[in-house]
Amino acid sequence: ETGVTQSPTHLIKTRGQQVTLRCSSQSGHNTVSWYQQALGQGPQFIFQYYREEENGRGNFPPRFSGLQFPKYSSELNVNALELDDSALYLCASSLRGPSETQYFGPGTRLLVL
Amino acid sequence: AQRVTQPEKLLSVFKGAPVELKCNYSYSGSPELFWYVQYSRQRLQLLLRHISRESIKGFTADLNKGETSFHLKKPFAQEEDSAMYYCALKNDNQAGTALIFGKGTTLSVSS
Repeated sequence: ETGVTQSPTHLIKTRGQQVTLRCSSQSGHNTVSWYQQALGQGPQFIFQYYREEENGRGNFPPRFSGLQFPKYSSELNVNALELDDSALYLCASSLRGPSETQYFGPGTRLLVL
Repeated sequence: AQRVTQPEKLLSVFKGAPVELKCNYSYSGSPELFWYVQYSRQRLQLLLRHISRESIKGFTADLNKGETSFHLKKPFAQEEDSAMYYCALKNDNQAGTALIFGKGTTLSVSS
């Protein structure tokens, strides 16, 4: 089993609020990716951080932002929450290289009311 | 645009029957494809990647560039294969190593 952890496991917020989700990467990994998985859909790429800098972004508005810290921790922040932000948020860590494999955490389920 | 299509939402087979989970992709370049699996109450995990050309848990997948497909196959399904399967494409067209996922296929194997 991989060492990627996420917190919290579940979260309920109201429209307009802000939320911070946390991820702890597997030891030794220098890349973290965040995905949003709506019900019945596959994960959708939000953005990726490599050595603490944003290194790729999907089709998500600027109110989705992130940070990667030393020692394998990272955050996903979402401002001005909308009902459609309700989803499972997945973090995946990897070691950049030719055989890069993304290891996923268990996810944080966010419900926006 | 890069895209991954899994046409079947649900595939139900009997134990011992062959399984083929379909995946088609759209990508302008040399694709790198993966199959991820999610068992009940577990996290998403890598099953196999096409560059490895290996068999994991009896599953294989061959990249067919002519048909732009990467179907997942197993000759004899087992009940423990029941899970959600996602096909994913590595997107090198943007900075980083993002994965583009299909919508997934639920495989149900019954005895």
